[in-house]
Amino acid sequence: KNEVEQSPQNLTAQEGEFITINCSYSVGISALHWLQQHPGGGIVSLFMLSSGKKKHGRLIATINIQEKHSSLHITASHPRDSAVYICAVAGGTSYGKLTFGQGTILTVHP
Amino acid sequence: NAGVTQTPKFQVLKTGQSMTLQCAQDMNHNSMYWYRQDPGMGLRLIYYSASEGTTDKGEVPNGYNVSRLNKREFSLRLESAAPSQTSVYFCASSEWSYPFPFEAFFGQGTRLTVV
Repeated sequence: KNEVEQSPQNLTAQEGEFITINCSYSVGISALHWLQQHPGGGIVSLFMLSSGKKKHGRLIATINIQEKHSSLHITASHPRDSAVYICAVAGGTSYGKLTFGQGTILTVHP
Repeated sequence: NAGVTQTPKFQVLKTGQSMTLQCAQDMNHNSMYWYRQDPGMGLRLIYYSASEGTTDKGEVPNGYNVSRLNKREFSLRLESAAPSQTSVYFCASSEWSYPFPFEAFFGQGTRLTVV
């Protein structure tokens, strides 16, 4: 069993839909990261969470430390949101090493 | 502010050739990392340098060597490339400090094909 599990692996939506991507992890962590990767592109950090909820524009990320679960929500999705979304976690004594989920491929159709 | 810069962006090697992937960060971070990304596998850690002067193996170090040249630069060397090393390579940096959460910054990636 992977330490970080994401679901779904693939997600197709129509423009304007509300999207949720889930991440579950099995180890103690100091922080959880949500990352975005456009096709052929680099990796961009969207959020770093250690508790609670963060919002940036149409993106919202939440984390429940007790349940070892995080969600990334996209409100009013747009075709430019089409990308791979990656969940990654870091343990407290990990020297900053990240363990990654396999990613969720999101495609938003106009 | 460039962040994390990797070179080259693309490379094709023949089996047995060697090459060095370069990475530099301008954020004065202590820690730097090399990951590889393969379809269906997610990103996996090759090597990391928790601080200047130290390097350690990650999950998949075989066939690679690294050098932390100074605080800014962390290079990854393939001594004798193999087709199994065809991948996308990402360099990352962070200001990790136990037990605090930290931001991670990634380069644009190097797309390497070994034929």
